[in-house]
Amino acid sequence: GQNIDQPTEMTATEGAIVQINCTYQTSGFNGLFWYQQHAGEAPTFLSYNVLDGLEEKGRFSSFLSRSKGYSYLLLKELQMKDSASYLCAVIDSNYQLIWGAGTKLIIKP
Amino acid sequence: DADVTQTPRNRITKTGKRIMLECSQTKGHDRMYWYRQDPGLGLRLIYYSFDVKDINKGEISDGYSVSRQAQAKFSLSLESAIPNQTALYFCATSDLKREGIGELFFGEGSRLTVL
Repeated sequence: GQNIDQPTEMTATEGAIVQINCTYQTSGFNGLFWYQQHAGEAPTFLSYNVLDGLEEKGRFSSFLSRSKGYSYLLLKELQMKDSASYLCAVIDSNYQLIWGAGTKLIIKP
Repeated sequence: DADVTQTPRNRITKTGKRIMLECSQTKGHDRMYWYRQDPGLGLRLIYYSFDVKDINKGEISDGYSVSRQAQAKFSLSLESAIPNQTALYFCATSDLKREGIGELFFGEGSRLTVL
């Protein structure tokens, strides 16, 4: 079966750095998305990786290693507004999106 | 105005009732999707449509039906609602990309409670 694993919940301090990991076992790979979802709201796009390496976009960066079936989202200079769930999703060989259950990130002052 | 609009935003209904959730978009995308989200679970695909004449079942289509009335409109129906269909429902759209799937744009969600 296809599976995406993310930690259920993480806690970090305002101003710090946090890394949210995502490991996947899917039938093929055609890209990986990260989305942010505030409680009760719609997911919003953060990043897309299809090649190995690090993609940086402001305070957020996303890394991919296809050989390891692994990605992480790195959030720097954490702000209270970063408290949200972070969803990892993989595009499989049939171009279907497989979603992880999401990581709830709690930011403390 | 939101690019992807869902109605209603909240609905409480009783077991056995027919419910329709509507989605309209102004992004001009051909691809539209219906997902449900339950606590502790990932987004699960109910149905998707790549154009007006193309409707496909997702992983959890039982108990649901859809209609793609136009490029911009995609509605989800529960013919006879049951309590385990209580969930947060999202409509989403995406553009066609050469590599297959572009970024998804989500509506604000429709929270459905079936008593």
